[in-house]
Amino acid sequence: AQSVTQPDIHITVSEGASLELRCNYSYGATPYLFWYVQSPGQGLQLLLKYFSGDTLVQGIKGFEAEFKRSQSSFNLRKPSVHWSDAAEYFCAVGPQGGSEKLVFGKGTKLTVNP
Amino acid sequence: DAGVIQSPRHEVTEMGQEVTLRCKPISGHDYLFWYRQTMMRGLELLIYFNNNVPIDDSGMPEDRFSAKMPNASFSTLKIQPSEPRDSAVYFCASSKDLDRTYGYTFGSGTRLTVV
Repeated sequence: AQSVTQPDIHITVSEGASLELRCNYSYGATPYLFWYVQSPGQGLQLLLKYFSGDTLVQGIKGFEAEFKRSQSSFNLRKPSVHWSDAAEYFCAVGPQGGSEKLVFGKGTKLTVNP
Repeated sequence: DAGVIQSPRHEVTEMGQEVTLRCKPISGHDYLFWYRQTMMRGLELLIYFNNNVPIDDSGMPEDRFSAKMPNASFSTLKIQPSEPRDSAVYFCASSKDLDRTYGYTFGSGTRLTVV
């Protein structure tokens, strides 16, 4: 069964610092991969997605993620964090065929210090 | 489009009462999903529909939970009777049929508190 692991429950960075959030997945084939962001009191918003082609994908709000098949990883990065990036981030994996369900990681909460 | 609309945003109810959560998906989206989010369990998929038909309800925790989708623009999640452990944020999400590669669009959620 497919699964997603986000090893870091909580990360704190200073405003202006770089950010990397980790995501590892377990799946037998190349999956669809997603990153979502959830601001307090809000639903999840899609940041970016990967399903084929260039392994470095760009998303909204200046985020990017890199798919590394050999490491089964899809880490999210941002070169310079803004205070408004404080939120919870979820990685998700979905099959490229068959079931339509996405499997979500447990999330990483990001705190940004001024 | 107004996005996925959920109501109410907040619900406080007493144990034993019936609770009904509502969702209006994005027009043209053929898939509708109900999720529950708690600190302990994270995001859990409860049930999803395709073209108004329930496809997988294996995530529904017990018989107290039921979900319906009478038409393409409306779905309900009902808990009867409610219990304190049902307290959570419940999200509805929808997606297109052939374009699920675009991921799901989530509503803002209903925060349910059962006292």
